[in-house]
Amino acid sequence: GENVEQHPSTLSVQEGDSAVIKCTYSDSASNYFPWYKQELGKGPQLIIDIRSNVGEKKDQRIAVTLNKTAKHFSLHITETQPEDSAVYFCAATGANNLFFGTGTRLTVIP
Amino acid sequence: EPEVTQTPSHQVTQMGQEVILRCVPISNHLYFYWYRQILGQKVEFLVSFYNNEISEKSEIFDDQFSVERPDGSNFTLKIRSTKLEDSAMYFCASRDGSSTDTQYFGPGTRLTVL
Repeated sequence: GENVEQHPSTLSVQEGDSAVIKCTYSDSASNYFPWYKQELGKGPQLIIDIRSNVGEKKDQRIAVTLNKTAKHFSLHITETQPEDSAVYFCAATGANNLFFGTGTRLTVIP
Repeated sequence: EPEVTQTPSHQVTQMGQEVILRCVPISNHLYFYWYRQILGQKVEFLVSFYNNEISEKSEIFDDQFSVERPDGSNFTLKIRSTKLEDSAMYFCASRDGSSTDTQYFGPGTRLTVL
């Protein structure tokens, strides 16, 4: 089955700086890669996703890049704000269910 | 904006007891999922459900687990005889079955087995 690795496990940045979270996947059949933000006590909320026919996607301060050859994808958050502080999960799927990474706890220091 | 809802938000039970976790997926969605997240760990897939039957399940989803869509709106996860290691957050998710793969998650039920 699919195996998704995520780094780093924790990340602290100063407000206004950029944050980058990286994931790798193992199954070349995976073709959909969502990113979820999870705040304390809440369920994962989709923030951006990318499909394998696209190399990059941007939505305001959030962007995701995908390298199919290397089987890795990354989340970029620019101009970070304190409300960006949360746990971020990457995921991958080729068929039905999602395989999640282990999560990155992002702390934005005001 | 439509959202997935789950009840209860927190369930405490004694080991060996049966629990039923309830979910109301987004109304026009066709695919339904249960995931669990043990404290501090990643979200893990349990089971997917489509057209009134299980379409896929993980190794975690053993004979103690079952799912049901008893009516047109609810989607339930039953654990027949809970174990201590079943303590976790359980998330329901749904997707609409169109070309999008996007799964929308509920807020979760925290299950505590004593």
